[in-house]
Amino acid sequence: DVKVTQSSRYLVKRTGEKVFLECVQDMDHENMFWYRQDPGLGLRLIYFSYDVKMKEKGDIPEGYSVSREKKERFSLILESASTNQTSMYLCASSPRTGWEQYFGPGTRLTVT
Amino acid sequence: GDSVTQMEGPVTLSEEAFLTINCTYTATGYPSLFWYVQYPGEGLQLLLKATKADDKGSNKGFEATYRKETTSFHLEKGSVQVSDSAVYFCALLYNDMRFGAGTRLTVKP
Repeated sequence: DVKVTQSSRYLVKRTGEKVFLECVQDMDHENMFWYRQDPGLGLRLIYFSYDVKMKEKGDIPEGYSVSREKKERFSLILESASTNQTSMYLCASSPRTGWEQYFGPGTRLTVT
Repeated sequence: GDSVTQMEGPVTLSEEAFLTINCTYTATGYPSLFWYVQYPGEGLQLLLKATKADDKGSNKGFEATYRKETTSFHLEKGSVQVSDSAVYFCALLYNDMRFGAGTRLTVKP
């Protein structure tokens, strides 16, 4: 059974803190993605990665960075959290030539 | 750029009612089209897909037909159940994946 896991379901952080969101997939997928989900806006792509140590900016990369040191793990980093980064964060993975993305359960981040 | 527009929610229906959620797209080429569903507390999961014009995707009683002439991919189900309550996302894949804003469906017994 395919699985994408995210380190936390709920997270509360203070403004200015450094925040790490972790995502692990067990399907040996090459592609991994980070989205944020906001009401009325759907899913917006923050960053994606097609291979280890490789990253590409999505539509809204400002205020975020990512790390992919191992194939199965893709981390999203908020260098200095701000209240406008309060959101649901979804990780997904897909095989190199496949189109279907498999999603994790999401992390609901609140920045106060 | 490529984009998807889907009907705003929320949509509230009684059990066994007919469901339609409208989705239209804009794309420079001929994309693949998808419907994803997000049940409460879970991530998105693929519901159905269509990869070329006139294809019909179907799953769990849901259907959608890829209409190139109207650039649409409307989701339909003949008789909804309480367990269908979820958020539904229309999406396209051409150069990259684009999602609609989502439509929340609530089905009441």
